[in-house]
This record gives sequence, C-alpha cells and structure tokens, in this order.
Amino acid sequence: QVQLVESGGGLVKPGGSLRLSCAASGFIFSDYYMSWIRQAPGKGLEWVSYITSSGDSIYYADSVKGRFTISRDNAKNSLFLQMNSLRAEDTAVYYCAAVIRVHERNKNYFDPWGQGTLVTVSS
Amino acid sequence: EIVLTQSPATLSLSPGERATLSCRASQSISDYLAWYQQKPGQAPRLLIYDASTRATGIPARFSGSGSGTDFTLTISSLEPEDFAVYYCQQRSKWPLTFGGGTKVEIK
Repeated sequence: QVQLVESGGGLVKPGGSLRLSCAASGFIFSDYYMSWIRQAPGKGLEWVSYITSSGDSIYYADSVKGRFTISRDNAKNSLFLQMNSLRAEDTAVYYCAAVIRVHERNKNYFDPWGQGTLVTVSS
Repeated sequence: EIVLTQSPATLSLSPGERATLSCRASQSISDYLAWYQQKPGQAPRLLIYDASTRATGIPARFSGSGSGTDFTLTISSLEPEDFAVYYCQQRSKWPLTFGGGTKVEIK
C-alpha cells in the first residue's frame, strides 16, 4: 500500500543541524511532487517546503528560507530535508506528504502523509 | 500571504448532529481549497479538494462548498469517528497556507 515513513528527528541544540528522510513505497515516487509540512506541539499545520518530481522547482516558506534545503533521490524513492541553523521555533513534528495528482495534473494538496518525525530544538 | 481564518475554534456537538465548519480567506482563492481531518497522534487526512470534491474513500456525509473567500465543510450526521480537528488549506498562491483549525468535540 501507499506509505511514507519519515526518520531522522531528534533533539538538537540551537544552531545545530539535522537531516530528515522520508522513504516512499507503494507508488511511483518519481511521478509525484512532494512537500514537508510541520506542526509545532499543540499547534496547527505549517507548510515548509516543496519539490517537483524532477527537482527542477523548489519552494520554501519564508520562515525556513536560507536554512533548510529540500532534495530527493528518485532512484531510492526518498525525500530529504536538510535543516541547518535550527531555532527553538523549529520544534515540531515534521511530515512528508505527496502532492495529489488528478487526471495526471498536480494539484497542490497533500495526500498521503507520513506519520511524522519529531524535531526538538533545545539547549 | 493568504490568511485562512477558521471558525468556530471549537464546535461541541452530539453524534448524529450536523456540523458546519467555516474557512474564510483573506483574498479570493477561487475554489482552490482543501479540507483535512486530523485525529490525536495521527497525520492529517485529505477529505475534500477544490472546495467540493471528495477525496478517494471519503464518506458522502462529508461535503464542501464555497468559492472566492468563503468556504464551508459540512458533516451531515456526525459519527463517533468524526470527532477530530479539521484544517483548511489553500493552493491559490505561494506560500501554501493552512487555517488554524476547528476542533469538533463531543458535547
């Protein structure tokens, strides 16, 4: 079945770095645009970053621009988020999610989502 | 940035009742709006996209309507599994944004 599994979260000090991974299975990963979306504890959802199927277009939220880098390896069915210069306000569960395709057209909504990986930035 | 404002913040209803959730955009977004359901400890699930199209496998008791700036998610008759938090999301302009959520709780 279609599955996204995130990994790489953990506790990191302010100013530190972390690399998140998302392993995809059950669908043709290379056909799908992908995103990272985060949720601070007890808060709502915040879109973080987006990458097209070939990686030729990438977008970031202003809150992470210049600090986070999204990438993908279609041969390994994997999505990544390199997070540098981490701040306390980056503490959240990070979800990877696929952008839906309707009649082979991408619509920037998300389904499915992974189960999330928790990133905690604290000294 | 397009701001999505959801109301009410909390909706207290009983099973079998009708739920009406609102999402208002700070500028027109045509019908480029989705609704998600999130249960505690789980990832969000797509319910409705393009304002009114149900996602695959979503029961018919969920319906969406609206265009421009005002949108509604209606749950015609609440089932026990529908008590959750609901978020709207727009894809009209970058950055993609979500509303703050409406919690539907058991009265």
